[in-house]
Amino acid sequence: GAGVSQSPSNKVTEKGKDVELRCDPISGHTALYWYRQSLGQGLEFLIYFQGNSAPDKSGLPSDRFSAERTGGSVSTLTIQRTQQEDSAVYLCASSLRQGINQPQHFGDGTRLSIL
Amino acid sequence: QKEVEQNSGPLSVPEGAIASLNCTYSDRGSQSFFWYRQYSGKSPELIMFIYSNGDKEDGRFTAQLNKASQYVSLLIRDSQPSDSATYLCAVMRDNAGKSTFGDGTTLTVKP
Repeated sequence: GAGVSQSPSNKVTEKGKDVELRCDPISGHTALYWYRQSLGQGLEFLIYFQGNSAPDKSGLPSDRFSAERTGGSVSTLTIQRTQQEDSAVYLCASSLRQGINQPQHFGDGTRLSIL
Repeated sequence: QKEVEQNSGPLSVPEGAIASLNCTYSDRGSQSFFWYRQYSGKSPELIMFIYSNGDKEDGRFTAQLNKASQYVSLLIRDSQPSDSATYLCAVMRDNAGKSTFGDGTTLTVKP
């Protein structure tokens, strides 16, 4: 596709359930980033991938959060045993490659609501 | 102190005026600086980025960077109602690409 695609666009689930969020980056983009945005807040970095490798997982809030990327393309962010504080918009971005002059292109996000 | 600070606003300017959005950062090792616009309920979209001291112009937008003062700004000339949005400042420290975002400034341009 032309842009970064995320699914689902909305997800409502009960506390304690596991959720999977998907990101399909722009074709050819090697770098992929996950962020979280709570209401009225800026973006909080979670994790990034260069190819299939995740060199920096420091932003993951807890061990309930994990992410993987396969084939240098699609990435999945998994949240286990969801808690109400996990409610936020989860944004994925990709860039052609890593670098200080590489802008990130964002998907429309997944709005996650934990009941 | 947050790593990236922005006035939350709201900043209100009349149509046709210059809007000035400011951002300060704490990490002197920061190398590049990005401005994103985010409409309510939408994802951020890149306006421009800068990594050298001075001014960078793109149409009605000018980014200004002063690394000594750890300050970056975005000027919007001839502001239009369609510019009404939240503007996010993002700072990148190294080639990894991890960006630290401010909480954003809400701009309202009144017709």
